[in-house]
Amino acid sequence: GQNIDQPTEMTATEGAIVQINCTYQTSGFNGLFWYQQHAGEAPTFLSYNVLDGLEEKGRFSSFLSRSKGYSYLLLKELQMKDSASYLCAVRAMYYGGATNKLIFGTGTLLAVQP
Amino acid sequence: DGGITQSPKYLFRKEGQNVTLSCEQNLNHDAMYWYRQDPGQGLRLIYYSQIVNDFQKGDIAEGYSVSREKKESFPLTVTSAQKNPTAFYLCASSDAGTFTDTQYFGPGTRLTVL
Repeated sequence: GQNIDQPTEMTATEGAIVQINCTYQTSGFNGLFWYQQHAGEAPTFLSYNVLDGLEEKGRFSSFLSRSKGYSYLLLKELQMKDSASYLCAVRAMYYGGATNKLIFGTGTLLAVQP
Repeated sequence: DGGITQSPKYLFRKEGQNVTLSCEQNLNHDAMYWYRQDPGQGLRLIYYSQIVNDFQKGDIAEGYSVSREKKESFPLTVTSAQKNPTAFYLCASSDAGTFTDTQYFGPGTRLTVL
């Protein structure tokens, strides 16, 4: 089957670093996305990994290990506005390889405290 | 400005009524998607369309219908057959011609059935 696991909630302090983990079991893996979603709003794209290693984008970095079925999102120099849900989504082949689909985790709600 | 619009932001309907949610994009994307988001659950795919005049069922299509008569528009109808329609509905689009094929989301419509 297809499964994605993320912690439900995390708390961190303003200015600190936080790592949000995501583990997955999917067939036909074809990339992993991280999205940020503030309460009541749409998810916004943060990062994409398809090869093993670290992708850095300003204060945000994302890591992927395909052999371990594992990814993490690293947020540095935390700001209050980073309080949001962070969604891990795996792209997998769908319907016998005809197309891709995104399988979403339930999201990690991050609370940044002063 | 290019983007995805959904209207209305909040929608209230009586049980037993059909309701249509609007989704428009001016990103020139071929692919469009409808997701449903419920508390404590990941986004779940309702329907998707890779090209005009074609669409496919996602994981939870029962009680929903769509049309794709124009590239820019992908309306979703929530019918009275949908047993639990109250949810946050998100529309997304992507450019399947790009390497990442990243999905970008509209602001969402929160549907409440009374």
